[in-house]
Amino acid sequence: KNQVEQSPQSLIILEGKNCTLQCNYTVSPFSNLRWYKQDTGRGPVSLTIMTFSENTKSNGRYTATLDADTKQSSLHITASQLSDSASYICVVSASRGGSYIPTFGRGTSLIVHP
Amino acid sequence: NAGVTQTPKFQVLKTGQSMTLQCAQDMNHEYMSWYRQDPGMGLRLIHYSVGAGITDQGEVPNGYNVSRSTTEDFPLRLLSAAPSQTSVYFCASSYSLQRSYEQYFGPGTRLTVT
Repeated sequence: KNQVEQSPQSLIILEGKNCTLQCNYTVSPFSNLRWYKQDTGRGPVSLTIMTFSENTKSNGRYTATLDADTKQSSLHITASQLSDSASYICVVSASRGGSYIPTFGRGTSLIVHP
Repeated sequence: NAGVTQTPKFQVLKTGQSMTLQCAQDMNHEYMSWYRQDPGMGLRLIHYSVGAGITDQGEVPNGYNVSRSTTEDFPLRLLSAAPSQTSVYFCASSYSLQRSYEQYFGPGTRLTVT
C-alpha cells in the first residue's frame, strides 16, 4: 500500500530561525512529490513540485530536496516568519494507466512564535 | 479569475438526508477531484475526473456520487448522509494529470452530519 509519513507531527520555533520537515514515502511507481502549505481553515497551496530527476527545488525561503533512492524528501524553511505558521503537507503521486494518483501525508503543524 | 470555488462553506445535515456540494473552476482545467480531510489524517481522494463525461473512483468513494457534464463544474453528491461523512471537503483542479502541473484547491466545505 502506498504510504507517506511525515515528521515531526508538530514543531514550534522562534521567528527568524530555520527548520526542516521530513517526508518518507513508499509510493510506486513514483511520479512526483509535492509540498503544500495549508493555513488554518483554507485549502492547501502548492510550494514545490519535484519529479524523479530533480533533487532540489526552491520557492523563496522554502527549499525542498528529494532523494529518490532512499525515498525521502525534506522541506527547509529559512528565516521563519509568523506567517509560516501552518500545516505542511507532503504529497507523492504514483502513475496509474496515464493518471497520477496522489497519496497525502498527515502533515507537520508548524507554529512560529515571535 | 476566481480559481476554484466551492459552495456552501458550511453545512449541517441530519442522518439520511442528501445534498450536493458544488465545485467550479474557471481555468479550463481538465482534471478535477474531490478530497475529504479528517483530523489526524491526510487528505483522501474520493472521486476524480480527467475531463467532461469521465469520472473515476479514488480511495474512499463509498457513499458519494459525482458527474462531470461540463469542464467547469464537478459536483459531489451525498446520497444518504451518515455521521462518518462529517469532514472537510476540498475540491481541486489541474490543467492535466501530467507530472508537474500545478493543482489548485478550493477553500473547502465543512460538513457536519448529526
